Amino acid sequence: DGGITQSPKYLFRKEGQNVTLSCEQNLNHDAMYWYRQDPGQGLRLIYYSQIVNDFQKGDIAEGYSVSREKKESFPLTVTSAQKNPTAFYLCASTPSGFYGYTFGSGTRLTVV
Amino acid sequence: AQKITQTQPGMFVQEKEAVTLDCTYDTSDQSYGLFWYKQPSSGEMIFLIYQGSYDEQNATEGRYSLNFQKARKSANLVISASQLGDSAMYFCAMREGGGNTGKLIFGQGTTLQVKP
Repeated sequence: DGGITQSPKYLFRKEGQNVTLSCEQNLNHDAMYWYRQDPGQGLRLIYYSQIVNDFQKGDIAEGYSVSREKKESFPLTVTSAQKNPTAFYLCASTPSGFYGYTFGSGTRLTVV
Repeated sequence: AQKITQTQPGMFVQEKEAVTLDCTYDTSDQSYGLFWYKQPSSGEMIFLIYQGSYDEQNATEGRYSLNFQKARKSANLVISASQLGDSAMYFCAMREGGGNTGKLIFGQGTTLQVKP
C-alpha cells in the first residue's frame, strides 16, 4: 500500500546532539513537508520541498536542516542550534496541484 | 497574511447528537482550499473534508459536512450523529495560494469529547 513512513516513532536526544528524522513516501508525490506540533497546539511548517534538490524554509526553520536528494525521501535534521526541540514532528506529501495532503504517523522527539 | 482561527479550544457533545466546530480564515487570495483534519491521541492526521474556494456547494463526506460561508470567511465543520470514536482533536487548515505552493496553514485546533 502507498503511504508515508516516518521513523523512528520515538526519539531521544541528548543536549548538543544532532538527530535525523526519516520520512519516506511511495506515493510518487512531488512535494513534501515537515511540520512541528507542540502539545495542544496546531502544526507549524518547518521546511518544504516541491521538487528534488530544492527546498524552502517554512515559518520555523531555525535550528533545522533538510535535504531532498530523492523524490521519495525528505529527512529532517534537528541540530544542536534548535534550543527547544522536544515536540511531535509530522511529515506530509502531496502531488502537484490543488490536492490534499497525506501525513505520516509522526516522530515524537524528546530531549533528555 | 493568511491565518486560520479556531476559537473553541474544547467542546463536549452527547453521543448521537450533532456538533459544529468553528473555523474562520483570513486570506487575500481568490483561489484557496480549506481542509479539516482529525487527530486522535495516536497523533496521526486523518483527512476529513475539503472545500475549494470556487465550489458553490458545501462539501459533504458521510457524517461530515462543511458549512462554507465565503463572505464571512468561515468554514465550520459539522459532525452529525456523533460517535465515541469521534473524540479527538480537529484542525482546520487552509492551502495558501493556488498552483503548486502547497503550504497548509493550520489553526490551533479544537478538542472534541463525545460523552456516552
